[in-house]
Amino acid sequence: NAGVTQTPKFQVLKTGQSMTLQCAQDMNHNSMYWYRQDPGMGLRLIYYSASEGTTDKGEVPNGYNVSRLNKREFSLRLESAAPSQTSVYFCASSAPTIEAFFGQGTRLTVV
Amino acid sequence: DQQVKQNSPSLSVQEGRISILNCDYTNSMFDYFLWYKKYPAEGPTFLISISSIKDKNEDGRFTVFLNKSAKHLSLHIVPSQPGDSAVYFCAASDAGTYKYIFGTGTRLKVLA
Repeated sequence: NAGVTQTPKFQVLKTGQSMTLQCAQDMNHNSMYWYRQDPGMGLRLIYYSASEGTTDKGEVPNGYNVSRLNKREFSLRLESAAPSQTSVYFCASSAPTIEAFFGQGTRLTVV
Repeated sequence: DQQVKQNSPSLSVQEGRISILNCDYTNSMFDYFLWYKKYPAEGPTFLISISSIKDKNEDGRFTVFLNKSAKHLSLHIVPSQPGDSAVYFCAASDAGTYKYIFGTGTRLKVLA
């Protein structure tokens, strides 16, 4: 039972570098989400995808792009990383009227 | 503008006593509310939820209360155990948007 799988688990980037965080779920959920967690700020929604083929901005989308590759996969891309994007990133998935299930997180440091 | 607020960053409770965690929201369109628990270096895990058509939901030691007129929900843990020590997040959703908005979290410490 993999649930929601995120890769990588840790990453260090230099300012200006780009990278893509990968997320895959095996629960056949329609909706997928990317959150970031920062001290004192809780979990803030970056982007979400209500269903395959759709994506929408969340609370803090600036500096990020997403791709819903298929029903299973939802990736988050940082085109030009900045120190303010140092955070722990969580991917989640859900079906209608049930709770969201989270991955284990990616700890990203931008130096 | 924060739509879901947890005004207590931390809470300490003696083992065996009741823990009460509070959450307020501003968006009257929210119709589904959840509590998550998070241990360090792990993803949040679902604890309990409540629909806006109810005012109480129980699951073992955990009870969630919803006061729609006050836009307030609370999580009661009775009795509290040391293993309950974690960060607790409340979240809210409205069926029309499919997105979950989280609060800032409350760190609960249960003292043995």
